[in-house]
Amino acid sequence: QVQLVESGGGLVKPGGSLRLSCAASGFPFTDYYMTWIRQAPGKGLEWVSNINSRSSYTNYADSVKGRFTISRDNAKNLLYLQLNSLRAEDTAIYYCARELNDYRCGPDCPSDYWGQGTLVTVSS
Amino acid sequence: IQLTQSPSSLSASVGDRVTITCRASQGITIYLAWYQQKPGKAPKLLIYTTSTLQSGVPSRFSGSGFGTDFTLTISSLQPEDFATYYCQQLKSYPRTFGQGTKVEIK
Repeated sequence: QVQLVESGGGLVKPGGSLRLSCAASGFPFTDYYMTWIRQAPGKGLEWVSNINSRSSYTNYADSVKGRFTISRDNAKNLLYLQLNSLRAEDTAIYYCARELNDYRCGPDCPSDYWGQGTLVTVSS
Repeated sequence: IQLTQSPSSLSASVGDRVTITCRASQGITIYLAWYQQKPGKAPKLLIYTTSTLQSGVPSRFSGSGFGTDFTLTISSLQPEDFATYYCQQLKSYPRTFGQGTKVEIK
């Protein structure tokens, strides 16, 4: 079965860095676009970034552009999110998610499988 | 592209027909998805490309719309449907979400 397991969250000071990882299993990782989505405590969902299957295209939310970097290692079935210059407003649960592979939405599909999330807290 | 959901919350009873709307600030053709999220859990995909039901989702869920105005309908609310619902546009980047609609028990 499809499994996505995030790790790497924790408490970090403003201006600090973290690297989140997402271990994927149960599906051909190299065939899928992957996405990071976050949710601040008690708030709604915010799309953060995505990457295509070959790492040739990446996209970012304006709020994280220039500070966060998405990447993947297809040989290890791992997705990453490097978080730099962290701010208090980056405090959130970060979810790794797989984008649906369906001809009806082509390269613009929503996320059909999600991990359980990893909490990032930015505080002094 | 901004998405505005209405209402922000609603109270309903088991068996009720429930409709949630999502309005986009510009046209997104059919590239809209709906998710359900329960407390402490990751969101679950319900519907994509406006009206395509994700595998395993009960047929009491349906979606409609085009361009800027979309609806999610639950034809007969069940106890397990009490949750928060989000729309997401996938027409352009960044891929934005609506603010959510919380469906509570009356």
